[in-house]
Order: sequence, then structure tokens, then C-alpha cells
Amino acid sequence: EVQLLESGGGLVQPGGSLRLSCAASGFTFSSYAMSWVRQAPGKGLEWVSTITSAGVIVYADSVKGRFTISRDNSKNTVHLQMNSLRDEDTAVYYCAKSQRGMDVWGQGTTVIVSS
Amino acid sequence: DIQMTQSPSSLSASIGDRVTITCRASQGISNYLAWFQQKPGEAPKSLIYAASSLQSGVPSRFSGSGSGTDFTLTISSLQPEDVATYYCQQYNSYPLTFGGGTKVEIK
Repeated sequence: EVQLLESGGGLVQPGGSLRLSCAASGFTFSSYAMSWVRQAPGKGLEWVSTITSAGVIVYADSVKGRFTISRDNSKNTVHLQMNSLRDEDTAVYYCAKSQRGMDVWGQGTTVIVSS
Repeated sequence: DIQMTQSPSSLSASIGDRVTITCRASQGISNYLAWFQQKPGEAPKSLIYAASSLQSGVPSRFSGSGSGTDFTLTISSLQPEDVATYYCQQYNSYPLTFGGGTKVEIK
């Protein structure tokens, strides 16, 4: 069974940092692009970043220069390093296996940026 | 950036009704269009990819159509478990973009 399990969310002050992780299982992780998508409270879905199987990286303008996506194919894990966090980064963050759109999603991890 | 516009933003229908949700892209995206279902408190679930291909395990009452800029998600016979918010997403080019969502309720 294909599974994605996010972790690392929490409460952080504005300007702070968090590192999210997504552990994958049930598929050949190194062969697929992986993405992060977020959802602010009561709002819709917003794409954050994607890293392809070849290591090509793309970011949304809203996080460019502050967030860094990376992957560790030896541990079947994708990370999202989030620096200089702002109030508007408060959201549930989902990782998604990016084939045919986004075919499998994790359950999400909540990030709250507040003083 | 490609803007994705969904309509309606919400709808109320009876059990057994045929429900149609539309999604319009601000420029042509061929068939690089996916549909997702998100139930309250849950993660999104992929329903359809490539505009009209059903993900494995998705009930056949769901179908998708369209190409270019205009797309449709249809639920042929609405069931209680279909109460959810539905999102379209284009994956033709970065930045990937989602529609604003359509909330489906039972009348």
C-alpha cells in the first residue's frame, strides 16, 4: 500500500524555522516527483514546491527564497525546510506523490505561525 | 500563471441527482487536468487525472471530460458519501494551480 506520512509541524513564532518531513512507503520513491501543498484554515489548496525524480526543484513565488525542498532517496523521505516564517504560512501542509497530477496524498501536518 | 476558475462555488442537490462542476483554465492546458475530493477534516483524494481518466478505486459514478480550457466533473448519481469540496488542478506548467473549490451538499 502506498503511504505518505508527514511530520514536523508545530507552533513557531514569526521569523522562525521548521523542517517538515514526509516518509514514503509502498512505491519506488526515487522514481517519482514529490510535492508539498498547503491549505490555510478555511481556504483552498495552494501548491508550494515540487522536486522531480531528477532533482529539479520548483517553488511557488510566495515561498521562494524562504523554503527549501529536498529529498533523501536512501530514506524514502522528502523534506521542506521553512525559514523566515510569516503569519500567512499558517496552514496544513500535505506532501503528495506527483504522478498524473498528485495521485497520493499524506494526512498532513499543521504549521501555526504566531507570537 | 494559469488561473483555474471553478463554478459553482457551492451547490446543493438531492440524492440520486446528476451533479456537474466546471473548471476553466485561463489558457490552454491540453488534458493536464486533475480533480480532487476533500471531505471535511481529511486530506484531498485524487479522483481523476488527464481530464478524464479515473483513478483506481474511484466509483464509476464520477467522470471527467474536457480539453484545452474547459473541463467538467460529473457525478452521475449523487450519494451521501459524496458530500465534500471538489478541486480542479492544472499540471500543464509551473506554478501548479488549483481552482477555488466547489462545496457539494445534500439538499
